[in-house]
Amino acid sequence: GENVEQHPSTLSVQEGDSAVIKCTYSDSASNYFPWYKQELGKRPQLIIDIRSNVGEKKDQRIAVTLNKTAKHFSLHITETQPEDSAVYFCAASINNNDMRFGAGTRLTVKP
Amino acid sequence: DTAVSQTPKYLVTQMGNDKSIKCEQNLGHDTMYWYKQDSKKFLKIMFSYNNKELIINETVPNRFSPKSPDKAHLNLHINSLELGDSAVYFCASSQGWGAYNEQFFGPGTRLTVL
Repeated sequence: GENVEQHPSTLSVQEGDSAVIKCTYSDSASNYFPWYKQELGKRPQLIIDIRSNVGEKKDQRIAVTLNKTAKHFSLHITETQPEDSAVYFCAASINNNDMRFGAGTRLTVKP
Repeated sequence: DTAVSQTPKYLVTQMGNDKSIKCEQNLGHDTMYWYKQDSKKFLKIMFSYNNKELIINETVPNRFSPKSPDKAHLNLHINSLELGDSAVYFCASSQGWGAYNEQFFGPGTRLTVL
């Protein structure tokens, strides 16, 4: 089955700096790569996703890149703000019935 | 928002007991899921359920059983609770069975087994 690895496990940045979180996956058949944000005590919520036929996608301060050959994808957050502090999960799936999540990255943005 | 709701929010119980967690979605989605999030925040899928087709993660003990009275509900029954079952359980739903469908998560149920 699919195995997703995520790095780093914790990340601390100054407000205004950029943050990058990287994930690798094992199954070359995976074709959907969502990113979820989970604030403390809250539910995971989708912030951006990318399909395997696209190399990059951007939504305001958030962007995701996908390298299918290397089987890795990354989340980029620019101009970080304290409210970006949360745990971020990457995930990979072939079908939604088998979504595999990374272990999570705890991002702290210091004001 | 109450798109995906779960009850109870907190559940504290003794080892050996049997308990249930309820999940309801009002999004008209066809597929529902159960996830377990342990103390290290690792999020693992337990079950996927679509139109009476159930896919079980092979690592889930058979003490756990999902039950779906209708398309909008997927309840989780746990028998003979063990200490290691303590975790936050999230229900989720998505429009369809295939990929590209955003999964909407419920608020979670924090289960503590004493």
